[in-house]
Amino acid sequence: GNSVTQMEGPVTLSEEAFLTINCTYTATGYPSLFWYVQYPGEGLQLLLKATKADDKGSNKGFEATYRKETTSFHLEKGSVQVSDSAVYFCASRSGGGADGLTFGKGTHLIIQP
Amino acid sequence: EPEVTQTPSHQVTQMGQEVILRCVPISNHLYFYWYRQILGQKVEFLVSFYNNEISEKSEIFDDQFSVERPDGSNFTLKIRSTKLEDSAMYFCASSESNTGRNQPQHFGDGTRLSIL
Repeated sequence: GNSVTQMEGPVTLSEEAFLTINCTYTATGYPSLFWYVQYPGEGLQLLLKATKADDKGSNKGFEATYRKETTSFHLEKGSVQVSDSAVYFCASRSGGGADGLTFGKGTHLIIQP
Repeated sequence: EPEVTQTPSHQVTQMGQEVILRCVPISNHLYFYWYRQILGQKVEFLVSFYNNEISEKSEIFDDQFSVERPDGSNFTLKIRSTKLEDSAMYFCASSESNTGRNQPQHFGDGTRLSIL
């Protein structure tokens, strides 16, 4: 079955630092890949997605590229803000519309002013 | 922007009691899902629902769980006889139809279920 592994947190950075959160996946076939973000007290929000190899998803300054050769989908941002503090989840999905997402454990990101 | 809404935000129930968690998916969505997140662990898929029947379920979704779409707007998760280990955050999600795995799932804010 599918699995997603992401780096353990918490990750603590200063404002304007460069961010990388690593994510690797195992899956049968060619999954779609997603990053979700969970702000304190809120639900999961889709941050970005990529559906095939070499696709780059981007949103709000965050980017992630679907790397089939390394089975990775690392999340990056060039300059983080305090408001980016949240838990970030990498997820994969195979198959048809009814298939559930497979999530990583989540990475808690803390940005200090 | 339309959103998935879940009620209640927090449910406290005695062990052995039945509990129903409620969700209103986005109105034009046709696929519905439940996930759970036990404190400190990853978000886990429970079940997906389409065209008034279960499409896929995980091994977590055993006979104590059931789902229902009782009317045109609600989607419910029932836990028949709750156990302490059912304590978790339960998330409802929905997605549009047709293009399958490329469609993102939109999540509600979750219901925190506490079993005493």
